[in-house]
Formats: sequence, structure tokens, C-alpha cells
Amino acid sequence: QSALTQPRSVSGSPGQSVTISCTGTSSDVGGYNSVSWYQQYPGKAPKLILYDVNKRPSGVPDRFSGSKSGNTASLTISGLQPEDETDYYCCSYAGSHTSVFGIGTKVTVL
Amino acid sequence: QVTLRESGPALVKPTQTLTLTCTFSGFSLNTPAMCVNWIRQPPGKALEWLARVDWEDDKFYSTSLKTRLTVSKDTSKNQVVLTVTNVDPVDTATYYCARGSGERYDYWGQGTLVTVSS
Repeated sequence: QSALTQPRSVSGSPGQSVTISCTGTSSDVGGYNSVSWYQQYPGKAPKLILYDVNKRPSGVPDRFSGSKSGNTASLTISGLQPEDETDYYCCSYAGSHTSVFGIGTKVTVL
Repeated sequence: QVTLRESGPALVKPTQTLTLTCTFSGFSLNTPAMCVNWIRQPPGKALEWLARVDWEDDKFYSTSLKTRLTVSKDTSKNQVVLTVTNVDPVDTATYYCARGSGERYDYWGQGTLVTVSS
């Protein structure tokens, strides 16, 4: 189970959109519609913001959206806000009741 | 409401066995499709999924660490225990337990930092 590949950092100005990619293989991202995304502030536990590729838990703003094509999933943050500046991790089911996380992406709001 | 809390030693010596406990409330591990997972994060690094135990008491482990991990549950106490044998400084990390519902981790504990050092 190798970690999923994410860009180390992405940035955008307030109000813009940014997209974070999450690339795996046919054994994880490409094989299942079970990709989730987590937002993590420094010193805090991760928070679920998307699951099953594009579903939002209650209370998560609709500026966060997800998609998947082949072995790559994506998280898009529309209307970027200052509080969106933090780390984001993708996670995929990897078969046999196991999961694999991405390497994480730092979002910077310029 | 759903809460999880990790507990265990802050410092362990190399080659020792680390035992961590996750105490949860607000849900039952007897509920179908529920599970409790252990996930760790070395300082400044990425999250790593370690293990899970589900409502049927089935246990699953990270391929790379499975020989060193054991997870168990005590439903009567609402606790899940993770043991990591033969620890090494590379096992220094914040260890989280998280509730799994389907293939999402919807509630997390605050994490506990474990340092492996002599």
C-alpha cells in the first residue's frame, strides 16, 4: 500500500477555486468509489469533508466538491476563503478492508 | 454525541511494546458497518492507516505493519486497544482512533503523541 500522490502545495487568492489531485492505482482510487477527504489544522485531528468521492457530511460548505476519473480523485474548493488555508488529505479504500491516505497538500490563500 | 479519546504512554523505549486504548461513546461497536480504526501521523508527516476492528470483531491491518500490530475490542467497556510490538524511533507519532462508518472516518479522537526514545 503506497501512499496516494498529492501535490505538496496549492495556492489561490480569496474567491478563486483550487483543485487538489489525489492519484492512486486501480487497486485503490481507481477500483472503488470510496475516496474521502480530510481537512487538518495544525495540532488538530483531521475532519471529514467529503466521502464516497463527492458526498458532503452535514455542516460542510458546498464550496467543497469532489470528483474522480480513473485512478485520480480531486477535491475542488470554490470561492476560496482565508480559513481554508490548511492541510488536506485524501484517503481511499484499498481492498481487503484496508485504507490508504495521500501524502497531504497544503493550501495557501494568497 | 459521538466522542473518542486515546490514552497511553507518552514515552516508550525502543524494542518495547506500545499499548494504546481508545475509549468511545455515542455509538455501539455492535452496530452493523461500524468499526474503529487506528491512524497515526509522525510529526510533520502524513496520515497512515494502521488497523481496524469491526462490529463482527473482524480485524484488519496495514500490510506493512501487520506483523507488529494487534487490535482488539471490549464492547462492554466501549474500548478498542492497539498494541505495537518492538517499537522503533520511526514509530514516534500522534496516534488517532477514528470511527469508521462505511469507508469514511467521521469522528476522530484528539490524538495522543507517542515518542519512542531511549
